[in-house]
Amino acid sequence: EVQLVESGGGLVQPGGSLRLSCAASGFTFTDYWMSWVRQAPGKGLEWVANINHDGTEKYYADSVKGRFTISRDDSKSSLYLQMNSLRAEDTAIYYCVRAVGGAGGYWGQGALVTVSS
Amino acid sequence: QSVLTQPPSASGTPGQRVTISCSGSSSNIGINTVNWYQHLPGTAPKLLISNNNQRPSGVPDRFSGSKSGTSASLAISGLQSEDEADYYCGAWDGSLTAYVFGTGTKVTVL
Repeated sequence: EVQLVESGGGLVQPGGSLRLSCAASGFTFTDYWMSWVRQAPGKGLEWVANINHDGTEKYYADSVKGRFTISRDDSKSSLYLQMNSLRAEDTAIYYCVRAVGGAGGYWGQGALVTVSS
Repeated sequence: QSVLTQPPSASGTPGQRVTISCSGSSSNIGINTVNWYQHLPGTAPKLLISNNNQRPSGVPDRFSGSKSGTSASLAISGLQSEDEADYYCGAWDGSLTAYVFGTGTKVTVL
């Protein structure tokens, strides 16, 4: 059974940092591009970042470029999102997603990140 | 900001057919495949259609997707109460080098 389990969410002050993790199981992690997608309260889905099979290609939304870093550890079947210089508008549920752009797409349950003083 | 435009809402009675449109441009839908997602509040979004018209295993054949030019559509035939959810289209945008989602459509079963 495919599982994507996010962790690391929580409350952080504006300007602070947080690192999200996503533990993958039930499939060959190295076969897939992985992504982070978020949903702010009352808003639609917003793509955040993509990373290819071996971590050599990374793409970011303009809204997070220079502040967020996506990475993966294939030996641990894990995906990460390092979030720095957090802003109130980064408050959202963050989903770990397998193959967001094609066949085999699968979403985790999400981790809530709240940026507030 | 969303570069794919969807109607904010759609509705129908049980058994009816509902269609949701997704309008894009030559840099996204025009040259790349479209995916559709179903999102029930409080749950993880689910891939409904990939590569314009492919249903993953387990997705009922009541759901179908199509694409023409810079637009795409999701059709739900034989609408059921459990289809009440938010639906999003998505595609890669080559100009933005970003994956873009539609604005989302809330489907209500009357």
